[in-house]
Amino acid sequence: GQQVMQIPQYQHVQEGEDFTTYCNSSTTLSNIQWYKQRPGGHPVFLIQLVKSGEVKKQKRLTFQFGEAKKNSSLHITATQTTDVGTYFCADRMDSSYKLIFGSGTRLLVRP
Amino acid sequence: KAGVTQTPRYLIKTRGQQVTLSCSPISGHRSVSWYQQTPGQGLQFLFEYFSETQRNKGNFPGRFSGRQFSNSRSEMNVSTLELGDSALYLCASSLAGQQNYGYTFGSGTRLTVV
Repeated sequence: GQQVMQIPQYQHVQEGEDFTTYCNSSTTLSNIQWYKQRPGGHPVFLIQLVKSGEVKKQKRLTFQFGEAKKNSSLHITATQTTDVGTYFCADRMDSSYKLIFGSGTRLLVRP
Repeated sequence: KAGVTQTPRYLIKTRGQQVTLSCSPISGHRSVSWYQQTPGQGLQFLFEYFSETQRNKGNFPGRFSGRQFSNSRSEMNVSTLELGDSALYLCASSLAGQQNYGYTFGSGTRLTVV
């Protein structure tokens, strides 16, 4: 079945440094959604990307969808301790009404 | 408005028992999905319901089942529990047909099988 790979598995940064997580698939992604899960919490929807080459920004967060729709990235500028958590990408497969999640990138921020 | 409500929050069951988990979606959301989250396998899709119909099912054994009621509330059942069923079970609701909306997850039910 389809697999969505996400790297890195962990990232430990100093507060103020930038952070990027990458999501890759061997097949074309339908729509990419990004979620954040705080420790002990549940996934919270951040954004959805639909179009090839799409770029969206939310304050310090920048989301990109690859031109071939086989990869996506989330970049956080100047991390803060509130950014701590695991970031997941997920392919929203409308035709099958399910999300295929990547394995997640766990972000730790040193104050 | 109220979010997605899952009950109970925690459960401890013995191998061989069965368990029923409940999910109340956001008012107006008719699509309800269930996911299993474990450290080893991550987030895996169990099934999705819309208007009391299961539209898709993940790769889980038949011991995992679910249903949706006319008020969109959903339950999932796991029979003959195994140790490997220990996980966080998450319910998510969405506005079916609205392709630009994400899924809203509940806080989950933490199931421990001993």
